[in-house]
Amino acid sequence: GEDVEQSLFLSVREGDSSVINCTYTDSSSTYLYWYKQEPGAGLQLLTYIFSNMDMKQDQRLTVLLNKKDKHLSLRIADTQTGDSAIYFCAERSSASKIIFGSGTRLSIRP
Amino acid sequence: DARVTQTPRHKVTEMGQEVTMRCQPILGHNTVFWYRQTMMQGLELLAYFRNRAPLDDSGMPKDRFSAEMPDATLATLKIQPSEPRDSAVYFCASGSHTGGRTEAFFGQGTRLTVV
Repeated sequence: GEDVEQSLFLSVREGDSSVINCTYTDSSSTYLYWYKQEPGAGLQLLTYIFSNMDMKQDQRLTVLLNKKDKHLSLRIADTQTGDSAIYFCAERSSASKIIFGSGTRLSIRP
Repeated sequence: DARVTQTPRHKVTEMGQEVTMRCQPILGHNTVFWYRQTMMQGLELLAYFRNRAPLDDSGMPKDRFSAEMPDATLATLKIQPSEPRDSAVYFCASGSHTGGRTEAFFGQGTRLTVV
């Protein structure tokens, strides 16, 4: 079945890079997503990557995809206090449903 | 400003009562998802629809939960009877399934507390 896993917590110093990792199980996933959830709010789509790509960059965000290992990562450069949130990895499965990981809570140290 | 609208934002109810949550998807979107978020289980997919037809509701407890789309502008999730373990934030999301890519745009959620 489909499953997406992430570590629950990450703490980084302000100005450093944050790297959030994710693994998924459905090898036929066509799209993989990163969403951000701020307190009391719904999830917002940050970026996505198509499965035939290895990397996608969008300003401070870099997504890396290792399809062989079914590993996805999100790198946030120059992490700021406004980046504090829960980050969800998600896959669009072969059945066209979007399955989310449990989310990684990113906290920023001064 | 296109967005998914969920009502109510908060609901407190007594165990055994019926609860109805409503969702207005973004106009033109043909896919609607219902998710439930709890601390213990994270974000679980309960059901999803495409072109108003249910595609998968295997994540939903069938004995008490039901999801429908009476028309393209309204999706509902009902719980009858509600139980304390149903307490969670329920999210509706809509998307447009184009070119094989479906993105989910989320509403603000309904925070349900069953006492």
